[in-house]
Amino acid sequence: GIQVEQSPPDLILQEGANSTLRCNFSDSVNNLQWFHQNPWGQLINLFYIPSGTKQNGRLSATTVATERYSLLYISSSQTTDSGVYFCAVERSTGGFKTIFGAGTRLFVKA
Amino acid sequence: NAGVTQTPKFRILKIGQSMTLQCAQDMNHNYMYWYRQDPGMGLKLIYYSVGAGITDKGEVPNGYNVSRSTTEYFPLRLELAAPSQTSVYFCASSSLTATNEKLFFGSGTQLSVL
Repeated sequence: GIQVEQSPPDLILQEGANSTLRCNFSDSVNNLQWFHQNPWGQLINLFYIPSGTKQNGRLSATTVATERYSLLYISSSQTTDSGVYFCAVERSTGGFKTIFGAGTRLFVKA
Repeated sequence: NAGVTQTPKFRILKIGQSMTLQCAQDMNHNYMYWYRQDPGMGLKLIYYSVGAGITDKGEVPNGYNVSRSTTEYFPLRLELAAPSQTSVYFCASSSLTATNEKLFFGSGTQLSVL
């Protein structure tokens, strides 16, 4: 099956710092999404981004489908950004399965 | 608009017991999914459904069963609970026809099998 690898696995930032999270995938995809899981376990969809670039406030994401990777940028980080960030992809073939990476665990210090 | 609703939020089972995790969505979404998340890990797909009457296996289906008799409901059945099924279970849904096909998640069910 398709492999989804996220890096780094863990990240500690000082409040106000910027960061880039990466997601690599091993096969062509129809769909790529970024999620944030807050410390209470709630999963929130950040971006639906099979290709191109999108921005939402301090967050932006870029997917280069031909090179099989996506990047999530967090600027001016805040303590509320802490949690786990997941990349999830849906393959171009083999049904409608959305597969998750292992996540990047982010802790933002005040 | 409730979105995706899961019940119960917490449950403790003894080995060999059975239970059904309930999931309902009120967004008229065609796709529904069940994931499990083990501590410190990502989400693994258990089963999914592309519409009423249609289900298929995900990455880790063993020990589980599902049914989809209506668009709204997608229950997950554990027949003979095992300690390896201790996990947090998430139900999700998405639209077949939307151009922005985001996954919407329920709040999760924390299950312990002792």
